[in-house]
Amino acid sequence: GQQLNQSPQSMFIQEGEDVSMNCTSSSIFNTWLWYKQDPGEGPVLLIALYKAGELTSNGRLTAQFGITRKDSFLNISASIPSDVGIYFCAGQRAKNAGNMLTFGGGTRLMVKP
Amino acid sequence: GAVVSQHPSRVICKSGTSVKIECRSLDFQATTMFWYRQFPKQSLMLMATSNEGSKATYEQGVEKDKFLINHASLTLSTLTVTSAHPEDSSFYICSARDSAYVSGEQYFGPGTRLTVT
Repeated sequence: GQQLNQSPQSMFIQEGEDVSMNCTSSSIFNTWLWYKQDPGEGPVLLIALYKAGELTSNGRLTAQFGITRKDSFLNISASIPSDVGIYFCAGQRAKNAGNMLTFGGGTRLMVKP
Repeated sequence: GAVVSQHPSRVICKSGTSVKIECRSLDFQATTMFWYRQFPKQSLMLMATSNEGSKATYEQGVEKDKFLINHASLTLSTLTVTSAHPEDSSFYICSARDSAYVSGEQYFGPGTRLTVT
């Protein structure tokens, strides 16, 4: 079952505001990934993190791999209406675990225009 | 970039019938593909890992005789929902891992919406 705790579950924000969401786990992951899913579509990879402590940006998105390897956060700066969707974190353990992903519960982002 | 397709995108079937969903990696080879199920307002739950040329590995609680997986080539995996029931209605998503890279990331398909009436 699901092992990643993702928060918040949902949030309304004003356009232009910054957004922050995070995932925590009771166990260690070697890779942290952040995906966005639009309604009726599959998840699209936003940022991948491969080293503890790593901070990576992709445009207005910034994500960090926690130093303990048990957490990660995603920040979105200056949100816009097209940021609406569901954001999922996912953790991946060792390669010999078959690269299986464990997903968080998702954060539903709703932006007020 | 790597593209994964699914067919069909939507399907409606009657209770008791079987439905086949295809997952294809279009521009890369994938020895491993994954099948997920997603219920409304919930996260993706891994159903099974599909391995080319061998039997799939199913997650606990997923009936292998009900959800038949075939991974006959490096670019195609199929999921057949046998004797479908209304509770099988869900969004089924596959992902494929690029075999060219040891720690290849997974690329997700667009999903298939199954409705069983």
